[in-house]
Amino acid sequence: GAGVSQSPRYKVTKRGQDVALRCDPISGHVSLYWYRQALGQGPEFLTYFNYEAQQDKSGLPNDRFSAERPEGSISTLTIQRTEQRDSAMYRCARIPGQKEDQPQHFGDGTRLSIL
Amino acid sequence: KNEVEQSPQNLTAQEGEFITINCSYSVGISALHWLQQHPGGGIVSLFMLSSGKKKHGRLIATINIQEKHSSLHITASHPRDSAVYICAVRTGNQFYFGTGTSLTVIP
Repeated sequence: GAGVSQSPRYKVTKRGQDVALRCDPISGHVSLYWYRQALGQGPEFLTYFNYEAQQDKSGLPNDRFSAERPEGSISTLTIQRTEQRDSAMYRCARIPGQKEDQPQHFGDGTRLSIL
Repeated sequence: KNEVEQSPQNLTAQEGEFITINCSYSVGISALHWLQQHPGGGIVSLFMLSSGKKKHGRLIATINIQEKHSSLHITASHPRDSAVYICAVRTGNQFYFGTGTSLTVIP
């Protein structure tokens, strides 16, 4: 939705497997955010990119989580050695410009279920 | 400790009622966003405020920077307004989100 494509929409995998979640901000641009949303909760910040530079990764829960955006467009969030507690909706959002008066445009998310 | 608190958590209204959802925050902000999350899960940005008041159709959003408080009002509510409404604040490049208000409008 809103110019942000996420894939896959749903991912079910066994505990211990690695997963890679993809975010394509179809319309560009500058800022890209990753969030995790548990059921019944608001989104929780994970990490943020300004173009290809990862500006803030303070929200990543532990070192099993990593993200990259090598060419400043598509971003991948990788979770290694998944655990059941990683199950959640993972969303990315883009902000078209650098000004602080820009709205966020959210993707439809990837629903991750760890068995 | 949550940087953003919303109330109420759940709200049920009759069609046509005037609805108010409140948001309080504890950090300095550059902007406040109101978001709507549909039952299917998609999130749509409704408003972005840094001061004053904005209106879009039946939706009105206000913010009081001194009191660190914002309200979202829905006039003449309709069943299609049923959704989760989330308040989010921007401080620097960080965003903090409330847990949302689940609104159900009954015909």
